[in-house]
Amino acid sequence: KAGVTQTPRYLIKTRGQQVTLSCSPISGHRSVSWYQQTPGQGLQFLFEYFSETQRNKGNFPGRFSGRQFSNSRSEMNVSTLELGDSALYLCASTRWGGGLQETQYFGPGTRLLVL
Amino acid sequence: AQKITQTQPGMFVQEKEAVTLDCTYDTSDQSYGLFWYKQPSSGEMIFLIYQGSYDEQNATEGRYSLNFQKARKSANLVISASQLGDSAMYFCAMREQGNQFYFGTGTSLTVIP
Repeated sequence: KAGVTQTPRYLIKTRGQQVTLSCSPISGHRSVSWYQQTPGQGLQFLFEYFSETQRNKGNFPGRFSGRQFSNSRSEMNVSTLELGDSALYLCASTRWGGGLQETQYFGPGTRLLVL
Repeated sequence: AQKITQTQPGMFVQEKEAVTLDCTYDTSDQSYGLFWYKQPSSGEMIFLIYQGSYDEQNATEGRYSLNFQKARKSANLVISASQLGDSAMYFCAMREQGNQFYFGTGTSLTVIP
């Protein structure tokens, strides 16, 4: 079974631009979560989508948004990029997203550099 | 308050020795799950081991075991017989019912030949 895939793997943008990252979960998984990872902050939860609905949201500004499609693929968008948005963006999927035992399986991440 | 605390930013261990990575957590829930992930330099997070709050026995997965002390709210990862490939960042995480995962800041483990 294929794992979680993320595209693109690397991205360089300039301040003020916007960016869209894509995540395809493991086949059969309906929950997708997004995280931002920076050296100083660790993994910070962005949001979780289940069946095309945002179910949980972290403490990030409105510049960060996401969506999920009917095939469970998810995209996240960051508008008006700032230097501090440079990070590794990780996507993780689970089958249902609600069970305590459910393990999140992560993709390889997208490394975003904002200049 | 931090949900997950990992107090060891960096650890060194001799190859073939055992090492313990510390993790404490904070929750008022009775039901919760605890996870450990490994992140090599490539960036991908790899699931290692899971412990449920009601599990009476410590979880084990090959060379990984979880030393679960519920009263102390600690969930330490023990890696036995360390290998060079174990060098990576290790993250402790917790999930409360219906909520997202909370991750610690990680511990960087270096295995010395």
